Formats: sequence, structure tokens, C-alpha cells
Amino acid sequence: EDQVTQSPEALRLQEGESSSLNCSYTVSGLRGLFWYRQDPGKGPEFLFTLYSAGEEKEKERLKATLTKKESFLHITAPKPEDSATYLCAVQASVHNAGNMLTFGGGTRLMVKP
Amino acid sequence: KAGVTQTPRYLIKTRGQQVTLSCSPISGHRSVSWYQQTPGQGLQFLFEYFSETQRNKGNFPGRFSGRQFSNSRSEMNVSTLELGDSALYLCASSAPQGSGYTFGSGTRLTVV
Repeated sequence: EDQVTQSPEALRLQEGESSSLNCSYTVSGLRGLFWYRQDPGKGPEFLFTLYSAGEEKEKERLKATLTKKESFLHITAPKPEDSATYLCAVQASVHNAGNMLTFGGGTRLMVKP
Repeated sequence: KAGVTQTPRYLIKTRGQQVTLSCSPISGHRSVSWYQQTPGQGLQFLFEYFSETQRNKGNFPGRFSGRQFSNSRSEMNVSTLELGDSALYLCASSAPQGSGYTFGSGTRLTVV
């Protein structure tokens, strides 16, 4: 069974204080690992897809990396508007004929000015 | 381009009733997936439809069902509602290549 565990559950940062969020996964063949941002009362907003170990992607203050067992979302010099819940999800290759994501519990990030 | 549209945004239903939620995917997207989000269980996969056929199904009871129409719009139905069905129901659509899933804003269902 595919499993995704995110840590920490909640993270409080001061504006400008860089940090990393962790996503550990076990999956029977990784087809893709996804990062989403979710604001209260809204649907998840797509950030990144990573496909193979060693891959990195960046967008503004966010950088996602991938190893064979985990992914990190690095946040550099965060601003209050980065406050949100960050979700990690995996898609297994055994479901190669379909689109099914297994999500972690999320990390609730709060950035104080 | 227009995003994924879910209607209605909010619903209040009584235990035992049934409910139908609607999802219009991004134009050209033929895959539509449904997820249930609750504070305790997080985001859980319900089912996926592609070209009017259910392609994957999560571990939910048979009270949860869905369908997809020829224009790729999808509906999900929950019969005999229980208090525990209160949740945010999210729909996501994806392009044929399967890279990236765009979510709608969800339907907030409250069962009283």
C-alpha cells in the first residue's frame, strides 16, 4: 500500500527564516511526486511534479528535491503570503492506466512578519 | 483558460438524504478524479473517470458513486448520507499525459 508521511505537521517561521518541509514515501514504483499548496477553503494549487531521484525544481522562493525515499520543499526567505498548508502526493506506476494520487497529511506553514 | 468548476460550493443535507455534486473539467481534459478531504483523514481518493469509464476506485462504500458524461463533465452521488460524510469534496482534472492535476475549489458538504 502506498504511504506518504509529511513532517512537521505545523511550522512557524519568522519572515525571512528559511526552512524545509519533508515528505517521506513508500510506493510500488514511483510515477510522479507532486507538491501542492492549499489555502483555507480552497482547492489545492499545483506547485511541482518530480519524476526521478536527483530531480530539482524551483519556483520563486520554493525549491523541491527528490530522493528515492523522500522529497523536500525548501522555502527560502519566506514571506507572510507563503502561509498555507503544503501537501505532498505520489502517483504509483502500478496505476499506470489511471490518475490516482495518495496524499500526505500536509504541513501547515505560518510565516509571521 | 477556465479552471475546474465545481458546483455547488456549499451544501447542507440531512442524514439519510442523497446528494449530487458536479464538476466541469478544464477544456480538453478527459480525466476527472474525485477526492474527499476531512480534518481527520486528509485527502482521500474516491474514484477517477476517463472517457465516461471508471478507471480507478478508492476504498469507499458503495453509497459513493459517480459518472462522467460525453463532454467530460462528471457528477458524484452520495446516497443515505451519514454525519461522517461531512467533508470538502474536491474534483481534479488532468490532461491525457497525466502530468499535473488541477483541482477545483471544492464543494463543502455538511450533513446534519
